[in-house]
Amino acid sequence: GDSVTQMEGPVTLSEEAFLTINCTYTATGYPSLFWYVQYPGEGLQLLLKATKADDKGSNKGFEATYRKETTSFHLEKGSVQVSDSAVYFCALSDTGYSTLTFGKGTMLLVSP
Amino acid sequence: GAVVSQHPSWVICKSGTSVKIECRSLDFQATTMFWYRQFPKQSLMLMATSNEGSKATYEQGVEKDKFLINHASLTLSTLTVTSAHPEDSSFYICSARRGGGNEQFFGPGTRLTVL
Repeated sequence: GDSVTQMEGPVTLSEEAFLTINCTYTATGYPSLFWYVQYPGEGLQLLLKATKADDKGSNKGFEATYRKETTSFHLEKGSVQVSDSAVYFCALSDTGYSTLTFGKGTMLLVSP
Repeated sequence: GAVVSQHPSWVICKSGTSVKIECRSLDFQATTMFWYRQFPKQSLMLMATSNEGSKATYEQGVEKDKFLINHASLTLSTLTVTSAHPEDSSFYICSARRGGGNEQFFGPGTRLTVL
């Protein structure tokens, strides 16, 4: 079945540091890929998505590129802020968007 | 737009009692709602998918008689944990999807603790 593997956290960074959170997936067909963010005490919010190979999703300074050859969708940001502290989930959806399969989540802690 | 609420945000109950959790789409009509369970440091596990007016579809390994799901209107779905036991303690999250749409909008979750 489909699965998503993402790096374990917490990832601890200083403000303005470069962020990478790795995500790889296993799926049949051509899934869509997503990054969700969960701030403390809140629900999951869609951060960005990509629906086909080589697509780049971007939002709020975050970006991720759908790499079919390496089955990866790594999340990057050039300069993190304290307000980026949250848990980040990588997810995929099979063709038709019927269901989402999530990774375990990676907690990001950014200190001033 | 696309706000989903859950109530209660947390609940503590005694073993053997039943607990109902509500999931509401506040500003859109949700033809499909999803219920997830999240264990500490684990991913969200889909429990069931419900379409308004029809029976929920449960994922393999999820007891439908234990976790009763009702999706009686386009803005409300409920999850009832019947005869709860300590092993049912978890974080339950719902999401909702508009008719014809692809994106799921998530609620803030409900923390259930069974003593």
